Amino acid sequence: TQLLEQSPQFLSIQEGENLTVYCNSSSVFSSLQWYRQEPGEGPVLLVTVVTGGEVKKLKRLTFQFGDARKDSSLHITAAQPGDTGLYLCAGAGNNDMRFGAGTRLTVKP
Amino acid sequence: EPEVTQTPSHQVTQMGQEVILRCVPISNHLYFYWYRQILGQKVEFLVSFYNNEISEKSEIFDDQFSVERPDGSNFTLKIRSTKLEDSAMYFCASSEWGEAPGTGELFFGEGSRLTVL
Repeated sequence: TQLLEQSPQFLSIQEGENLTVYCNSSSVFSSLQWYRQEPGEGPVLLVTVVTGGEVKKLKRLTFQFGDARKDSSLHITAAQPGDTGLYLCAGAGNNDMRFGAGTRLTVKP
Repeated sequence: EPEVTQTPSHQVTQMGQEVILRCVPISNHLYFYWYRQILGQKVEFLVSFYNNEISEKSEIFDDQFSVERPDGSNFTLKIRSTKLEDSAMYFCASSEWGEAPGTGELFFGEGSRLTVL
């Protein structure tokens, strides 16, 4: 079983601050995805990273895939209350997609 | 925009009863999945399904669980004899393609909340 460890588990910051959350594994993934989940809803895909070292930007969100394709980070610049949610990383296995436990982000106005 | 739909949104059942959760994946998608999320916990993989058969299943997906694609549009999860610990949100997801089954981008439904009393 390929395990994905996400850190921190909880993060509470003020509006306007920057933050980085991490997704680490001892396994190599062919691709890794980041999702955001709001209470009572299903996860919504933010980005897929495929190539080692790849950096993708989505407005104020920057995603990086580690060179060895074992880890990834999500950096948010100038966080806003609308960024509040559970951020999940998921790695592709043989025939499945396994999720980390998530980082629960709260951005206070 | 196409979306994955799930019914029911909430089901309450007695322990030992059978439950069927229904999903309509996005129409041109080929890979289908069930995940569950116990309240406050992580999203856990149950099963993936491709070409009318199970591709992969987790240790959670024991003999009490089964999946079926009874027609061209529905994808169902059946729990034969529910236990208290089956109480969770069950998410269906589908994906169009991937390098291998299970690697495509997943589109999730809104979930079905199962409460076992």
